[in-house]
Amino acid sequence: GENVEQHPSTLSVQEGDSAVIKCTYSDSASNYFPWYKQELGKGPQLIIDIRSNVGEKKDQRIAVTLNKTAKHFSLHITETQPEDSAVYFCAARGQTGANNLFFGTGTRLTVIP
Amino acid sequence: ETGVTQTPRHLVMGMTNKKSLKCEQHLGHNAMYWYKQSAKKPLELMFVYNFKEQTENNSVPSRFSPECPNSSHLFLHLHTLQPEDSALYLCASSQDQWVGGIPAEAFFGQGTRLTVV
Repeated sequence: GENVEQHPSTLSVQEGDSAVIKCTYSDSASNYFPWYKQELGKGPQLIIDIRSNVGEKKDQRIAVTLNKTAKHFSLHITETQPEDSAVYFCAARGQTGANNLFFGTGTRLTVIP
Repeated sequence: ETGVTQTPRHLVMGMTNKKSLKCEQHLGHNAMYWYKQSAKKPLELMFVYNFKEQTENNSVPSRFSPECPNSSHLFLHLHTLQPEDSALYLCASSQDQWVGGIPAEAFFGQGTRLTVV
């Protein structure tokens, strides 16, 4: 099955700086890579996703890049704000027709005002 | 709110109790999922239902018993649990996967925080 690794496990940045979270995956057949943000007491919420036919996707301050050859993808948050503080999870979905989403272990991001 | 509602939000149960977790979605989705979230571990997929049929059982112990009476409701029946089963149980839903080859995003509920004593 798919194995997703995520780094770092914790990340602290000053407000206004950028934050980068990286994930690797093992199954070369995976072709969907979502990122979820989980705030305290809430379930994960999708913030951005990327499909394997593109290399980069951007939505305001959030961007995701995908390198299928190297089997890694990254989340970039620019101009961080205190409300960006949360746990972020990457995930990968495997083969066509499969319903599984395999998650990374999460990154706790703290934005220091 | 994501449109996926889980009840109860918190549950404390003894090892000999029987309880049930409920998940409800009115997003018109056909696939529903149970995940277990433990500290410092990835979210673990437990069960997947697609059009009310169970399509995935990720080697979950039989003390967890899912039920999907229709596409909008999903239950997780709990019986004789162990303290190590204490975790946040998350329900999610999505459109049927791979229609037209496009994977659909999953929407999560807020979870049930389960404590087994």
